[in-house]
Amino acid sequence: DAGVTQSPTHLIKTRGQQVTLRCSPKSGHDTVSWYQQALGQGPQFIFQYYEEEERQRGNFPDRFSGHQFPNYSSELNVNALLLGDSALYLCASSLIRGANTDTQYFGPGTRLTVL
Amino acid sequence: AQRVTQPEKLLSVFKGAPVELKCNYSYSGSPELFWYVQYSRQRLQLLLRHISRESIKGFTADLNKGETSFHLKKPFAQEEDSAMYYCALKDSGAGSYQLTFGKGTKLSVIP
Repeated sequence: DAGVTQSPTHLIKTRGQQVTLRCSPKSGHDTVSWYQQALGQGPQFIFQYYEEEERQRGNFPDRFSGHQFPNYSSELNVNALLLGDSALYLCASSLIRGANTDTQYFGPGTRLTVL
Repeated sequence: AQRVTQPEKLLSVFKGAPVELKCNYSYSGSPELFWYVQYSRQRLQLLLRHISRESIKGFTADLNKGETSFHLKKPFAQEEDSAMYYCALKDSGAGSYQLTFGKGTKLSVIP
């Protein structure tokens, strides 16, 4: 099991463009969370998807949207890119047990640079 | 609002010396606390969580609700402990899923 995989590894975009990042969860996991990690900061929660729906959202604008597919993989879309969106985007997968999410397993991240 | 504070950006200790990485949190509800670690060129991974009360790689952490702290400790540092450490918090209640991370502390163990 390769664990959580993310693509692409690196991406360069210009202001105003749109970007799509992809994540495949660890085998057997059904929940995907997305985090933004700016340089020198800890990861910040964007949102979480379970059963193809957004379950919880952090303090991010509507420019950030996502999707989860029937195979549990997920996409993060960012519209109208700003310079401040430059960051490492982390995907984490987990397995629902009861009402709460179990341990989150992180992917290697996608480094987005906005020029 | 949830907040996690790690007051030290960088902590340098000699091999064999005790290590304490500080973590304080601000949250009015019932929190679950975690320590995540990122070794060089590796992905972020869970080190330990307070509800399991385990010792992982010699590290322990006790949740002190009175002081709202969850400091990570190890009696004798090893060179392989050099890494970035993040403290994280989650509401233990149903319906809450997000992890709130601190800014991290870089631990450097000097041989």
